[in-house]
Amino acid sequence: DADVTQTPRNRITKTGKRIMLECSQTKGHDRMYWYRQDPGLGLQLIYYSFDVKDINKGEISDGYSVSRQAQAKFSLSLESAIPNQTALYFCATSDQGYNEQFFGPGTRLTVL
Amino acid sequence: AQSVSQHNHHVILSEAASLELGCNYSYGGTVNLFWYVQYPGQHLQLLLKYFSGDPLVKGIKGFEAEFIKSKFSFNLRKPSVQWSDTAEYFCAVNSGGYQKVTFGIGTKLQVIP
Repeated sequence: DADVTQTPRNRITKTGKRIMLECSQTKGHDRMYWYRQDPGLGLQLIYYSFDVKDINKGEISDGYSVSRQAQAKFSLSLESAIPNQTALYFCATSDQGYNEQFFGPGTRLTVL
Repeated sequence: AQSVSQHNHHVILSEAASLELGCNYSYGGTVNLFWYVQYPGQHLQLLLKYFSGDPLVKGIKGFEAEFIKSKFSFNLRKPSVQWSDTAEYFCAVNSGGYQKVTFGIGTKLQVIP
């Protein structure tokens, strides 16, 4: 079984809809991250969490919110999706902020 | 703030050619450096990492990278690429206690059989 899972894997939605992307991990890591990947832009950090009570904005948090429901679960929400949020979204975990990150399989989101 | 730059955005090589992908970072203190690989349709996975010690780091699948502190560089190398190395490669850096890792924009490698 995968250590970091994401649901859904693919999602097509319309402008203005609320969307939630979910991430679960079995690695026992405290730190979790949400990134978006766009062609030519690499990975951009949206939000990160060091534990259940510690959530921080990343480089591109506008238009997104997160919830850390438990050590193992970290959800990303788009309150009102817009087309330029069409991207590939990755969740990742690590045991320390400076250490290797383990990535989920990604969610491909299309906003029409 | 830490930053990382990758010089080559798209590289095309024939099988058996040698590979070197450039990576430079901005921070002058202690750094942890990483190379990740993303095969088509897959998630990122770690190729190799450098924390301290021998500046020549060996990773999986025959890849290696050399940390040159004076040049702020951590270039990725492989003596002979295979078609299966076709992927996107990301350099990443964490600097001195900074609690996040910053990724470069990636280099797409296409290996032609």
